[in-house]
Amino acid sequence: SQQGEEDPQALSIQEGENATMNCSYKTSINNLQWYRQNSGRGLVHLILIRSNEREKHSGRLRVTLDTSKKSSSLLITASRAADTASYFCATGPYSSASKIIFGSGTRLSIRP
Amino acid sequence: EAGVTQFPSHSVIEKGQTVTLRCDPISGHDNLYWYRRVMGKEIKFLLHFVKESKQDESGMPNNRFLAERTGGTYSTLKVQPAELEDSGVYFCASSPDTGKLVEKLFFGSGTQLSVL
Repeated sequence: SQQGEEDPQALSIQEGENATMNCSYKTSINNLQWYRQNSGRGLVHLILIRSNEREKHSGRLRVTLDTSKKSSSLLITASRAADTASYFCATGPYSSASKIIFGSGTRLSIRP
Repeated sequence: EAGVTQFPSHSVIEKGQTVTLRCDPISGHDNLYWYRRVMGKEIKFLLHFVKESKQDESGMPNNRFLAERTGGTYSTLKVQPAELEDSGVYFCASSPDTGKLVEKLFFGSGTQLSVL
């Protein structure tokens, strides 16, 4: 498979709970990005974290990056029904300044 | 401002036929990417244009796939002849991040290709 691998493949939680998704990658990177895809739509950029950063926040999103373990996590706090979507991590490999590589995604379902 | 648009949204063809997918990036975006997602697997990189030049086409599956971006504006991806395994969702994305690290992609809604 390509660079990113998300875990779990599918996640179902109750509205209001927090959702955590993980991403592992294989090679050195310049940055790591998280995207959301609603069914039948294109991917939407959520947040970027650079290789020299360890944690980043944006609204209800919190991203961490551990370059020694080649892993990242995306935390969505106080989940809402509208957060139901597939979430993908994408890496910008150090070997290529412009190539962005995606994983297979985590399918998140928020139960009302 | 218009987003990335892809046409058609769906295409159903028979094995052996030819299909051409089109992508119109956001105006002014020099970087244009094609990706494919098959059966819920990873979103696989196909190729990357900078303006009209192919920067990286390492993900193109074989010579049945031909991508062009004449004039550095819209792009087409032709599959000829189509095979069953070509079925999937083809995404196009663009980015304005020229000459530096690409940090954000803007995606179209994709073309669902079904080869029967």
